[in-house]
Order: sequence, then structure tokens, then C-alpha cells
Amino acid sequence: DIQMTQSPSTLSASVGDRVTITCRASQSINIFLNWYQQKPGEAPKLLIYAASSLQSGVPSRFSGSGSGTDFTLTISSLQSEDFATYFCQQSYSSTFTFGPGTKVDIK
Amino acid sequence: QEQLQQWGAGLVKPSETLSLNCAVYGGSFSGYYWSWIRQPPGKGLEWIGEIDHSGSTNYNPSLKSRVAMSLDTSKNQLSLNLGSVTAADTAVYYCARRYVHIVVTFDLWGRGTLVTVSS
Repeated sequence: DIQMTQSPSTLSASVGDRVTITCRASQSINIFLNWYQQKPGEAPKLLIYAASSLQSGVPSRFSGSGSGTDFTLTISSLQSEDFATYFCQQSYSSTFTFGPGTKVDIK
Repeated sequence: QEQLQQWGAGLVKPSETLSLNCAVYGGSFSGYYWSWIRQPPGKGLEWIGEIDHSGSTNYNPSLKSRVAMSLDTSKNQLSLNLGSVTAADTAVYYCARRYVHIVVTFDLWGRGTLVTVSS
């Protein structure tokens, strides 16, 4: 299986901050990388697909970049509704795997 | 509006079989792969497997020996059976639609069903 890691595991930030989350794959996955947001008690929501494409309806303050093994999710100006856990997911292999998550909480 | 509605037993005894169902409302059932994904309490997400509208399946090798997925196209429903469960199978189980946006994504999710394995 392709292993996914994320850093940091927890991030404390304030409204208005620029936030960056990193995801790393155990082997090259080209751009086969997606990002999801999950709030407590809810299902994950697709934010970014193919490393940098914004899912319809997702605010433009979210952006993604990277290819190969290293990827980033950036929130340009953190809003109160963005406090959540973020997961990356690879679809390069047909055994899909997720990162362990990064929790963004209030500083 | 498209939605996935899940139901099933929330408490299963060790060594027994976990059974869950998921129905697709307001959208097309055929033409997609449908996945099951689980999340142990406080932990990350694990893809269990998928089934397409023809019944073709693809399972996570780590669970393959215990998993069976099926579907009822007349009811737009899919089902998950996971056998010989242990406490490690305690999790919120989600059904999700696989959608290809250049790459494979999961773009529509059910609300999740908490399944606890305990005697």
C-alpha cells in the first residue's frame, strides 16, 4: 500500500491566518491526490482534487499544490467555519489510502 | 438533491457479521463505483472496498478475506458485510460515491453509521 503522512497533526491558528498543511506519499503518486475537510460528527467533504483543482462550491481561499510525493493544502485566510480536520487521500493505487489527518483548532 | 442514506445494526457481537446498507436517492446509481470507508473513533479513514453497478468489486487486501459487497439495482441500494468482527472493527462506516475528476475522488458521502463491536 501507498502510505500517506501529514504534518502537523494539530495546528492552532487564528481567524485570518494563512494556514499550510503538508501531505507526503511513500512513493510518487503524480497528481493523484485529493484533500477533504471533516467537521465533528460529519462526513468528509471533498475540497481539492488532482492536487490543485478546486471542487465546485469550495471557497477560493482553499488551494492545493504539489506533485510526486509532496503536497500542500493552503487556506489563505482562515475563517471560523474552517476549524476542522483535513485529510489527504491518494488514488494512484487502486487500494485508496488516506493520511492520518491534520486538526486545525482555535489558537 | 443527491444523497446517500445509510442504515444497519449499530451493535455487533465479536465473531459475528457486520451488515450495513446504503441507498442512493435523487441521483443516478448506474455508471458509478460505490465505496465503503470506515473511521475508528478518533482515528483516520480506511477504504474498505468498492462495487460498481455491474457488481464488479475491488476490496482492500487487508480486509478482503472478511468483506463482501453487493447491490440491488432495482432499489438503488448497496450492502456491506464484514465477517468475524473484533473490537478493532468498531468504527463509523460511510458509503461514498467514487467520481472521476481527472483522478478518483469520493465526492458524495453518507452520514455514517457507528458500529460498535462488543459482547
